[in-house]
Amino acid sequence: GAGVSQSPSNKVTEKGKDVELRCDPISGHTALYWYRQSLGQGLEFLIYFQGNSAPDKSGLPSDRFSAERTGGSVSTLTIQRTQQEDSAVYLCASSWDATTGNEQFFGPGTRLTVL
Amino acid sequence: TQLLEQSPQFLSIQEGENLTVYCNSSSVFSSLQWYRQEPGEGPVLLVTVVTGGEVKKLKRLTFQFGDARKDSSLHITAAQPGDTGLYLCAGVAETSGSRLTFGEGTQLTVNP
Repeated sequence: GAGVSQSPSNKVTEKGKDVELRCDPISGHTALYWYRQSLGQGLEFLIYFQGNSAPDKSGLPSDRFSAERTGGSVSTLTIQRTQQEDSAVYLCASSWDATTGNEQFFGPGTRLTVL
Repeated sequence: TQLLEQSPQFLSIQEGENLTVYCNSSSVFSSLQWYRQEPGEGPVLLVTVVTGGEVKKLKRLTFQFGDARKDSSLHITAAQPGDTGLYLCAGVAETSGSRLTFGEGTQLTVNP
């Protein structure tokens, strides 16, 4: 009965390096979401996966950002050639499906710092 | 342009006071949710409202969805220090499929 887990909890990297952030959703949840949150701010939608459907990538800020979800479970968000403006908390959430009003359960986030 | 406007952005009050947080939009929402987030953690859902004019109560918290489904409010009665946190409204606009859009949040501090 574990909740959504994310790793690493903190990541410090140098500008220009690639990073991978991992999300383990709640077992059985078919929908998985990635968000970005700047300090004390609201959440910025990045991408979501629903079952075997093509992901909604409309929130990805640039082509340096990509995500995949293997086997309908674990997801990895990859940021290539990181920039300082990529520094933020990256939050993952999952839900039973993407039905309107369905509760999203969030992980604790990965705090990314790009030096 | 922010789809969901939250106000106030910051709120610092004394224990025992009442407060209201507002979430407004020019868009119509199929549903609207309120989340609370504490430092170092992800947001946790407090309530979902789906019907225009709907009012839901959760202990000292009262949530209202506007008749036109364009706005919502969160009212806290007799605030306590444990209510401190970032309150986020989030909604699914009728034109956005099932994508959830978040407001900027209201940082509430309740001083003992």
